[in-house]
Amino acid sequence: DTGVSQDPRHKITKRGQNVTFRCDPISEHNRLYWYRQTLGQGPEFLTYFQNEAQLEKSRLLSDRFSAERPKGSFSTLEIQRTEQGDSAMYLCASSLMTGGDNVLTFGAGSRLTVL
Amino acid sequence: AQSVTQPDIHITVSEGASLELRCNYSYGATPYLFWYVQSPGQGLQLLLKYFSGDTLVQGIKGFEAEFKRSQSSFNLRKPSVHWSDAAEYFCAVGAAGGSYIPTFGRGTSLIVHP
Repeated sequence: DTGVSQDPRHKITKRGQNVTFRCDPISEHNRLYWYRQTLGQGPEFLTYFQNEAQLEKSRLLSDRFSAERPKGSFSTLEIQRTEQGDSAMYLCASSLMTGGDNVLTFGAGSRLTVL
Repeated sequence: AQSVTQPDIHITVSEGASLELRCNYSYGATPYLFWYVQSPGQGLQLLLKYFSGDTLVQGIKGFEAEFKRSQSSFNLRKPSVHWSDAAEYFCAVGAAGGSYIPTFGRGTSLIVHP
């Protein structure tokens, strides 16, 4: 098991461009999460999937953001028409949800810089 | 809604000294509590968790934390800090009412002086 993988690790883009991040979770985990972390802050929840179903979205996830998890495997997070305020670290995590024992394993993150 | 407060943005300790990082949570019922550590360029790593039972929990790297319901606290401790412990530490709370999705505090940055 190689843990949670995220790609790319760094992305620099110009305002108005679209970007896509990919996350490969731990294979036996049934939940996948996206969080956003800005400088000096803790991770903020964006959305999560249980298997292939997207069950919850934060109000932070504007219409320009879309996440998918086809077939309950890897996930993508796309940001359309990026803005400078989108600059952040995007963290992916996965977990095997059993009862309340929900321990998240995080990837190293994808850092986005919007110029 | 669940929430977490980490009142200390930065903590500075000397190597070999003891450490306590504070965490207060807000949730009406029994929470699920976590401490994670994040080193530069690394993902968050779980140090320890509390779900139920013994209120003093042991974690990796010599860390421990104590759940105090009366104070709504879950403070992280280590008796002797090593230079390699310098990192960002995050407390998180999860609960049934929030689909067990952890809510994180803003973090405490630990600086270790030689």
